[in-house]
Formats: sequence, structure tokens, C-alpha cells
Amino acid sequence: KQEVTQIPAALSVPEGENLVLNCSFTDSAIYNLQWFRQDPGKGLTSLLLIQSSQREQTSGRLNASLDKSSGRSTLYIAASQPGDSATYLCAAQYNQGGKLIFGQGTELSVKP
Amino acid sequence: GAGVSQSPRYKVAKRGQDVALRCDPISGHVSLFWYQQALGQGPEFLTYFQNEAQLDKSGLPSDRFFAERPEGSVSTLKIQRTQQEDSAVYLCASRAGELYNEQFFGPGTRLTVL
Repeated sequence: KQEVTQIPAALSVPEGENLVLNCSFTDSAIYNLQWFRQDPGKGLTSLLLIQSSQREQTSGRLNASLDKSSGRSTLYIAASQPGDSATYLCAAQYNQGGKLIFGQGTELSVKP
Repeated sequence: GAGVSQSPRYKVAKRGQDVALRCDPISGHVSLFWYQQALGQGPEFLTYFQNEAQLDKSGLPSDRFFAERPEGSVSTLKIQRTQQEDSAVYLCASRAGELYNEQFFGPGTRLTVL
């Protein structure tokens, strides 16, 4: 069964810290891996998408990596800010045009 | 308003009532997905449309759940005889087509069954 897991479920850090969020997936035959942000009461905002042929993607202070052989992806957030507080979800897609399989999310709180 | 919209944003139903949730995808988007997100969990796939064709409904939890997209644009998710375990946020996402990867999500409908 294709499953996606995120650890930890919640994380609290002081402002300015660099941090890493972890995502693991059971089936390495991944088509792409996406990271989303979800604010309370809101839908999902796409942050980064890594194709299976890529190792990482960067956008501003965010960097996402993909290691298919170990079934892992990480989202690195540099110089965290209170505005980064949200739930971060990773999702695996296994075929073109296919559905997303989500992890449970990591709830991030950045304290001023 | 170029994004995905959903209505209502909040719905409270008594157990046993039928509900209908609406999704307006981004104009011209061919693909449409429904996901269910329980409190504290990630979204789980319910069903998928390509234009008006429902290509995958493997995630629908029971035959009380029914989705349609008759003209290949607006979609409705219907839940009959609602149960307390149906309480969740129902998210709709649209995508330009099968060759595109990014799904654009609506704000969701929060359903509470009393």
C-alpha cells in the first residue's frame, strides 16, 4: 500500500532558526513529490514540486529535496519567521494525471 | 476570481440529512478532484473527473457518497443520510489537464454532522 508519513506532527521553534520537515513514502516508484502549506480554515497552497528525475527544488527560503532510494523528502526552511507558522503537508503522486497521497502534516509554530 | 471556489464554506447537518457540496474549478481546467480531510489529518482522495467522466471513485467511503460533474465544469459532491463520521473538511482541486502536475485547491467546505 502506498503511504506517506510525516514526522513530527508538530514543531515549535524560535524565530530565526533553520528547520527541516521530514516526509517518507513507502513506494519509491514516485512520479513527483509536492509540498503544500495549509493555513487554518484555508485550502492548500503549493510550495514546491519535485519531479522524480530531480533531486531538489528551491524557492526563496525554502528548499525541498527528494531521495527516491530511501523513500524520503525533506523541506528545509531557512531563517524561519512567525509568518511561516502553518501546517505543512507533503504529497506523493505515482502516475501522470494521478491523485495525490498526502502525509498527516507537520504543524509548525514559529515564536517571535 | 481565478481560483477554485467551494460552497458553502460551512455546513451543519443533523445525522440522517442529505447534503450537497459544490465546487467551481478554475475556468478551463479539465481535471477535478475531491478530497476529504479529517481533523488533524492529511487530505484523502475521494474521486476524480476528467471533463464530465468520473474516472476514479475508489476513495468514496460508502455508497452514501456520490459525485457528479455533468457539464465538465462545476462538480457536486452529495452525501446521503449523513453520519457523524462524515464530519470533515471536503476539499476540491482542479488541474489544467493530465499533462500538468499542479493541482489548485479551493478553501474547502467544513461539514459538521450533529
